[in-house]
This record gives sequence, structure tokens and C-alpha cells, in this order.
Amino acid sequence: EAQVTQNPRYLITVTGKKLTVTCSQNMNHEYMSWYRQDPGLGLRQIYYSMNVEVTDKGDVPEGYKVSRKEKRNFPLILESPSPNQTSLYFCASSWDRVSYTFGSGTRLTVV
Amino acid sequence: AQSVTQPDIHITVSEGASLELRCNYSYGATPYLFWYVQSPGQGLQLLLKYFSGDTLVQGIKGFEAEFKRSQSSFNLRKPSVHWSDAAEYFCAVGGVVNSGGYQKVTFGTGTKLQVIP
Repeated sequence: EAQVTQNPRYLITVTGKKLTVTCSQNMNHEYMSWYRQDPGLGLRQIYYSMNVEVTDKGDVPEGYKVSRKEKRNFPLILESPSPNQTSLYFCASSWDRVSYTFGSGTRLTVV
Repeated sequence: AQSVTQPDIHITVSEGASLELRCNYSYGATPYLFWYVQSPGQGLQLLLKYFSGDTLVQGIKGFEAEFKRSQSSFNLRKPSVHWSDAAEYFCAVGGVVNSGGYQKVTFGTGTKLQVIP
């Protein structure tokens, strides 16, 4: 089944403790992206990647890092999480740069 | 800059009634337009998309949308709503291509649909 897999689904962590949210897709898509979803704000893009080793900032990149060492994987790294990064995170991939397949989401709480 | 406005935060309809969700976009040229649906606890699923050609687009689950350039709108419709359609719906526009060739997609803030028996 074609899908984008994120892990974990739920995560509660403490301020400052580094964490990684993994994302993997099995569709051989070149384009991948991370979004955060907050009430009333819709989806905002954090980072995107156009191919292996090609990444760039989206609209809200502060406090996040990404890497794209393999085509299928696009992890999101929070080096020092803060409470304002409490959010619902989605990874997505695309073959045509605009139509996205989304993962099921990761609900992150930073206390 | 491109933007999307979904003026209705929450809509309630009766099961079997027709539905129209509004979406207005701002973009200088002909945009790519999308509707996504998010069921509770799930990721977003693409309902339909408009790239060019026929302005009436058919999607999955019986949804359709009409691109109206003169009104900068891309409203989503369904003739008869089912209880399983209760979800949040997002309109999105893809347009600006940066110097690296990346095409930005901007999402609206969503409309929550409640379906009552």
C-alpha cells in the first residue's frame, strides 16, 4: 500500500530534550515536506525537500532541522524543543510537487 | 504572494442535504487548486485538484468543485451529505515557483463540517 509513515503518533517530552520524528514513504517520491497544524492557523510548512540532499526552509523553520540522506526518509529534528512547538505535525510526499500524500500525524506535547 | 481564505470556520448540515464549502484564493496567474479532507485523528487526504481545462472538477467520495476565475473561487460541493462526511476540509493553492524550482502550496485554515441526522 502506498503510504507515508510517521513515528511516533504521540509524544510527550520535556523542554530541551532533543527528539526526532521519523517519516518514510514507499512511493519513490522526490518531493517531501513537513507541516505543523495549529488551531485557527491551518497547516504551515516547516521544511521541504526536492530530492536527496536538497532541503530548504518553509514558512516556520525556526527551532527545527531536517535531513534527506535517502529518498524515502525525511526526519524532523527538534534539537531543543520548547512549549511553543507543541503541535500536530504532518509529513507529506509528492510526485508532482503539488499533490501531496500525508502521513497520519504526530501529536507532540512539550512540557 | 499567494493566499487562501476559507470564510466559514464551522458548518452544520443535515444528512441528505446539499453542501457547499467556500474557498477564495489570491494568486496572480492561474493557480493549481486543491481540496483535502481530514477525518478526526487522520492525516489529510486529497479529494480533488484543478490544474487546467474543465473548470468543474470531479473528485472522490462524490465531491466536486468549480473553478471560477472571475471570482477567484474554488468552492467544494456535494449534492447529498452522508454522516461519514463529517470532517475538516482544507482548500489549498499551489502557484509560486521559487528560484530552485520548488512550487509552494499554501493551505487555508479549514472548515469543520458537522452532519446532523
